[in-house]
Formats: sequence, C-alpha cells, structure tokens
Amino acid sequence: QQKVQQSPESLIVPEGGMASLNCTSSDRNVDYFWWYRQHSGKSPKMLMSIFSNGEKEEGRFTVHLNKASLHTSLHIRDSQPSDSALYLCAARDTNAYKVIFGKGTHLHVLP
Amino acid sequence: DAAVTQKPRYLIKMKGQEAEMKCIPEKGHTAVFWYQQKQSKELKFLIYFQNQQPLDQIDMVKERFSAVCPSSSLCSLGIRTCEAEDSALYLCSSSQGLQNTLYFGAGTRLSVL
Repeated sequence: QQKVQQSPESLIVPEGGMASLNCTSSDRNVDYFWWYRQHSGKSPKMLMSIFSNGEKEEGRFTVHLNKASLHTSLHIRDSQPSDSALYLCAARDTNAYKVIFGKGTHLHVLP
Repeated sequence: DAAVTQKPRYLIKMKGQEAEMKCIPEKGHTAVFWYQQKQSKELKFLIYFQNQQPLDQIDMVKERFSAVCPSSSLCSLGIRTCEAEDSALYLCSSSQGLQNTLYFGAGTRLSVL
C-alpha cells in the first residue's frame, strides 16, 4: 500500500483561481514533509517544506501540516498557467533510510 | 541552485543487455538517492546512500541492479539484464542528509527495446 497518498489525482483550475492539494501518510513512521513540483520534461524541484504543526506561507503558496493526522496540504492562490505541473508530496520515513513520494497531483491551470 | 549531473541523458538498450548510468552529486552532499519514474508519475524509491554506503534499497535493486558510490563525487546505477519494464526515467538526487531538501539531476531516460 502506498505510504503517502495524494488527492486529487488531477485538478483543473482557472487562471487566478485557488488550487488545493492534499497529502496524507497512512504510516505513522513519517515526520518531515516536502512538496516538490515537476514541470513536464523536467526534474522535480522542492517548492516548500514543513516540519512542524501549523502553516507556512511563501508568496502565493501556503502549506499546512497536522502532525496528529499526518496530513499536509498545499494551496496555491492566484494560480497561473505556469503553475501547471505534477505536484509531488514527500515524507521522511523514520523507520527506514528513505524519503518516499506520493503518486502526485497533476495540476492544470487554464488561461 | 544545487547541481546534480546525470549521464547519459538518454540510453537505449535491447532486452537482456546491461545498462549503466552515472550521477555526480552536488559537492558537499552526503546523501544520494535513486528514483525510478514511469510516464511522469510517482517517484519509486530505489536505493539510498549515506557517505557512499548503501543504507536502504528495495528488493528489485538487490536482485537485478548494481549500485555503487565509489567516491563522494560519483555514483552509478546499473541494470545487469534489462527488461522492458525497466524503461523509465531514472532520477538521481542528493542532499545534505535525510532531513534536508533533495536536489535532482535531469535524469537518464532508459528505453529497453
């Protein structure tokens, strides 16, 4: 079973709209979370990281983390066509030496 | 931005052939990860090195792959006998540790015919 689950699989938002992406771990042996963004034909790049409960904002991007439920979410306000990409949630597995990724959310921002 | 270099960018092999791809981690990074990505979907963890030592790997890697980091500036991932299912983008990433951001190379795209 996938340890890191992301939803939705695909998301379409209009330009200027708000995109909300979710990520939950089914395994309690994870702690640090990251969000990576991968544009088509490119390699993933870290977008935001969150390690403690609460919220973190950087420009148009806001990330939340609830450690009790092992749920993190990424919100993109004023979405731009250039935000269209695969968004990958990653978590550190404290039981093993690895950083594991979810299946990703494909975000499409329509102009 | 950190620079992780991967070579070659593209690799074409026939079924049954051996394949090898290389990765130069970012200078100063002690952790190296290899991931497999098919059709722009999830990143599948393959193997993790810390200070050039393999600390975790999946069964597929133990059975059919060979992965080493002979120096802090060079790692390689090999497939002993390529199968069609191995066709994928292989991404190498490095970081300063398990709690740090991963920086990815551009990847090696392997096609097995």
